[in-house]
Amino acid sequence: EVQLVESGGGLVKPGGSLRLSCAASGFTFSNAWMNWVRQAPGKGLEWVGRIKSKTDGGTTDYGAPVKGRFTISRDDSKNTLYLQMNSLKTEDTAVYYCTTDGIPPLMDVWGKGTTVTVSS
Amino acid sequence: QSALTQPASVSGSPGQSITISCTGTSSDVGGYDYVSWYQQHPGKAPKLMIYDVSNRPSGVSNRFSGSKSGNTASLTISGLQAEDEADYYCSSYTSSSVWVFGGGTKLTVL
Repeated sequence: EVQLVESGGGLVKPGGSLRLSCAASGFTFSNAWMNWVRQAPGKGLEWVGRIKSKTDGGTTDYGAPVKGRFTISRDDSKNTLYLQMNSLKTEDTAVYYCTTDGIPPLMDVWGKGTTVTVSS
Repeated sequence: QSALTQPASVSGSPGQSITISCTGTSSDVGGYDYVSWYQQHPGKAPKLMIYDVSNRPSGVSNRFSGSKSGNTASLTISGLQAEDEADYYCSSYTSSSVWVFGGGTKLTVL
């Protein structure tokens, strides 16, 4: 069964940092492009960023609100995706989901999400 | 990248059909057939209902269908059921090689 499990969420003060993880199973993680998507309380879905597979260059892209503050990385030996979040703002408070992607583009598998709260 | 435009809410009675629109530009919806629709119940993760404009993943009811005309994609749900009450989001791949979502539509089954 294809599965994504996010972890690492919690309460952090503005200006702080947090690293989220997404453990993948049931598919060849090293071949997959992966996304992070977030959802602020009572709001819609927002694409955070994506990392391509290493065979496709391993490059990353980010949405404007997080560019320069967030970094996506992957450890294919551990089948794990990461989201390093620095200089956190209250508006980063959200449930963070990881999703699969690829060629052709399709976010088909989603994890259950992990909650990040940025508050003093 | 601006969000795609969806109506904030739609409603329908059991057994009826409803359609949710998703309007973008030629740089996203109009330029690619990579439009997806997601269903989200409260407190749950989004679930893929339609991909590549009109394809249904295995296990999704054939009451759900998708289409596209120009810069606007549409999700139609026929034979409405109480369990269809949820939020629905469209998404599209873009010319910048990134994803954009719609603002979401709350479906109420009367």
